[in-house]
Amino acid sequence: RKEVEQDPGPFNVPEGATVAFNCTYSNSASQSFFWYRQDCRKEPKLLMSVYSSGNEDGRFTAQLNRASQYISLLIRDSKLSDSATYLCVVNDLQGGSYIPTFGRGTSLIVHP
Amino acid sequence: DGGITQSPKYLFRKEGQNVTLSCEQNLNHDAMYWYRQDPGQGLRLIYYSQIVNDFQKGDIAEGYSVSREKKESFPLTVTSAQKNPTAFYLCASSSFRLAENNEQFFGPGTRLTVL
Repeated sequence: RKEVEQDPGPFNVPEGATVAFNCTYSNSASQSFFWYRQDCRKEPKLLMSVYSSGNEDGRFTAQLNRASQYISLLIRDSKLSDSATYLCVVNDLQGGSYIPTFGRGTSLIVHP
Repeated sequence: DGGITQSPKYLFRKEGQNVTLSCEQNLNHDAMYWYRQDPGQGLRLIYYSQIVNDFQKGDIAEGYSVSREKKESFPLTVTSAQKNPTAFYLCASSSFRLAENNEQFFGPGTRLTVL
């Protein structure tokens, strides 16, 4: 059974802090990786894809470690508006199609 | 604007009744998915479809049924056989079956409450 594990938190940090989340996955053949953001009672929205070489989008940095089977998300200079649940998603190839498995999410609370 | 629509946003049904949730997309995506989310839980895959007139069971398909008669539409029926149907239901689509970074786009969801 495919597993994607995340620390549920909550991570409670002050504005301006740097915070990091990890996500581990069980299938070494997993193909692609994403971080989504989900606000309370809303649908998930793509935050960023995670590339093998690591990638950055403004204050957000995502990294992939295939050897240890985890991905990470680093948020620098946290804003109040970053408060949300961050979902890790891993795509596996099944029957010629990519099937995503979601982690349970990590809750982030940024306070003044 | 392209996107995914789900209706209704809130749905109340009596126990023992079947109910159908709507999902429509105008993104010209091949793949569509249905998920269920319970409080404090991640998304669990119910059914997915990669092409019209074909669909596959996900991890928790029991008590649910789907159809894919049109590329744009992927309705989900929650049957009376589903033991605990009260949940937040999310529909998603993605553009390519074999593209490596085929991220999903989600509809706004339907909150189903069975009384």
